[in-house]
Parts: sequence; structure tokens; C-alpha cells
Amino acid sequence: NAGVTQTPKFRVLKTGQSMTLLCAQDMNHEYMYWYRQDPGMGLRLIHYSVGEGTTAKGEVPDGYNVSRLKKQNFLLGLESAAPSQTSVYFCASRPDPARNEQFFGPGTRLTVL
Amino acid sequence: AQSVSQHNHHVILSEAASLELGCNYSYGGTVNLFWYVQYPGQHLQLLLKYFSGDPLVKGIKGFEAEFIKSKFSFNLRKPSVQWSDTAEYFCAVNEDYGQNFVFGPGTRLSVLP
Repeated sequence: NAGVTQTPKFRVLKTGQSMTLLCAQDMNHEYMYWYRQDPGMGLRLIHYSVGEGTTAKGEVPDGYNVSRLKKQNFLLGLESAAPSQTSVYFCASRPDPARNEQFFGPGTRLTVL
Repeated sequence: AQSVSQHNHHVILSEAASLELGCNYSYGGTVNLFWYVQYPGQHLQLLLKYFSGDPLVKGIKGFEAEFIKSKFSFNLRKPSVQWSDTAEYFCAVNEDYGQNFVFGPGTRLSVLP
């Protein structure tokens, strides 16, 4: 099993450009999450999904959109990138709402100039 | 809303020293508790978790944590650290059977050889 994978690993954007980050998991997990990690702030939840076709807002959703068309994939979109979105983005998955942990992907380092 | 605080931003220890990292959370209900470790340039990995039962839980690599309900705390300990423990450590809380996790800001541990 590959676990949770993320593409791309690195990306540099100019202000106003758009891009999509892909998260894929091969563990048949129901739940998937997108976080951003900034120095001194831990991980902050952007959006999450509790199943195929469903998404919900997290703590810091503004400027991002997500889609979960297939159970194994969770896409994070930036329609018009801003320098404040420079961050490391982590995707995570989780089997179900029972007592279990999240499994994290390797991260995507995004720089917006 | 839940929140998680971690007492130290940066801890510096010499090899073989003992480690204790503090974690406190604010939530009155039943919670699940986690410690994750992030080695430089890598994704988050689970160190240990507490769901119920014995409040002293043991994790990987010689780490353990104690849940003290009355203090809303879940401190991480290791009797003797190694240089390879240099990493960032995150405490996380999840409401029992809840959808989301709340992460603390992280504690950076530097172990000097």
C-alpha cells in the first residue's frame, strides 16, 4: 500500500494563478482532510470530507475549494493564489469516525510570489 | 471550541537527558488524545494515542504519555533521548467519535549529540 500520497511535492505560483493539489489514498478510508502548516501555528484544518461527494469547511477555508468525486481522491484548489497561502499543505485520511487516528501524506510545499 | 496548548515552543536537550513535553486541552467531554512526531522534512507520524483505559500509554521509540483527566493534560515523556529524536512534536485532540482533530502549535525538540 502506498498509503496517502500528494502531488505535487513542490510548487511556486505567482499571485493570482490557480492550481490544484491532489491527495490520494489507497486504504479505502472514508474521511479525508486538508491542513496547512505554518511556523508556530501547528496544523490548521482547511476543509474535510466524511465521504465521497461530501465536503465541509474547516478552520481556515477562505481562498480554497475542494472536491471529493472519488472516495480515494481529495482535491484542494486555489482559484487565485495569494502570498498568504504560502505554506506546507498536508493531506490526511482516516478510516471512519470510530476511535482511530489520521494518516498523513508527505506534504506539498507551496510558495506564492 | 476545543483548543490545544503545548507548553514549550523549543526544547534543547543533551543526549541521554529525560524529556517531558506538556500538552493541555480545553474540552469538557470525552476525548481521544494523540502525539504525532514530524522529523525534518517529513510528514507527521503517530507516536502514541489514548482512547480509554489505562491512562499511561506507551508508544513507539520508547515514548510514553500520561492522561490526567482532572488536569486536562496529556504529557509526553521519554526517559533518555537520542539525537535521532530531534523533531517537532504535535499534540492533537479529537472529540470521541468526532469528525475533526485540533492540533497544538507544536514543540520543536533539538537533541545535542
